[in-house]
Amino acid sequence: QKEVEQDPGPLSVPEGAIVSLNCTYSNSAFQYFMWYRQYSRKGPELLMYTYSSGNKEDGRFTAQVDKSSKYISLFIRDSQPSDSATYLCAMSAVQAGTALIFGKGTTLSVSS
Amino acid sequence: SAVISQKPSRDICQRGTSLTIQCQVDSQVTMMFWYRQQPGQSLTLIATANQGSEATYESGFVIDKFPISRPNLTFSTLTVSNMSPEDSSIYLCSVVVGTLGTQYFGPGTRLLVL
Repeated sequence: QKEVEQDPGPLSVPEGAIVSLNCTYSNSAFQYFMWYRQYSRKGPELLMYTYSSGNKEDGRFTAQVDKSSKYISLFIRDSQPSDSATYLCAMSAVQAGTALIFGKGTTLSVSS
Repeated sequence: SAVISQKPSRDICQRGTSLTIQCQVDSQVTMMFWYRQQPGQSLTLIATANQGSEATYESGFVIDKFPISRPNLTFSTLTVSNMSPEDSSIYLCSVVVGTLGTQYFGPGTRLLVL
């Protein structure tokens, strides 16, 4: 079993839809959870950073962490064509100075 | 955050040759990492580039294949040595910025080995 599982998609939605992206993980030591967005031919861009369980909201984006289920989610409200990208979940057991463990990424396409 | 640049942005190389990738950051950072992103695979850490000492390599990566230099707190290089088609990948550097320990990535170097 891989440490982090993420459905690669592709996921296609119409503009304005609510998008749900998810990752599961096996290592209960993970405490720091991140979502990165990667446009084609670009490096990953940090979207959301959360510590432990709970929700965090930033504009149209909401990150949820359920440590009891080892499950994290990213919700995108009112999706836009500019949200079309690959979304990578990443996590670590310590705050800094260590490798991030990534999912494979989910490719999202939002059509106008 | 930080502004990170990488050179070259892409390259096509012949097997058996070596390529050196540069990573430049616009501010001094303590921690810098090199990752590989192969098609259909997760980003995988190659090594931590330590300033003033040898890099720390992850399991499956060795210094002879991926020598790394870190001469100062704003610059690092990764060399992919004796390349084979299996080395075709995107190579990314990242840095840790701020008290939360968040990692920021460069734009990547796209390497194709023929």
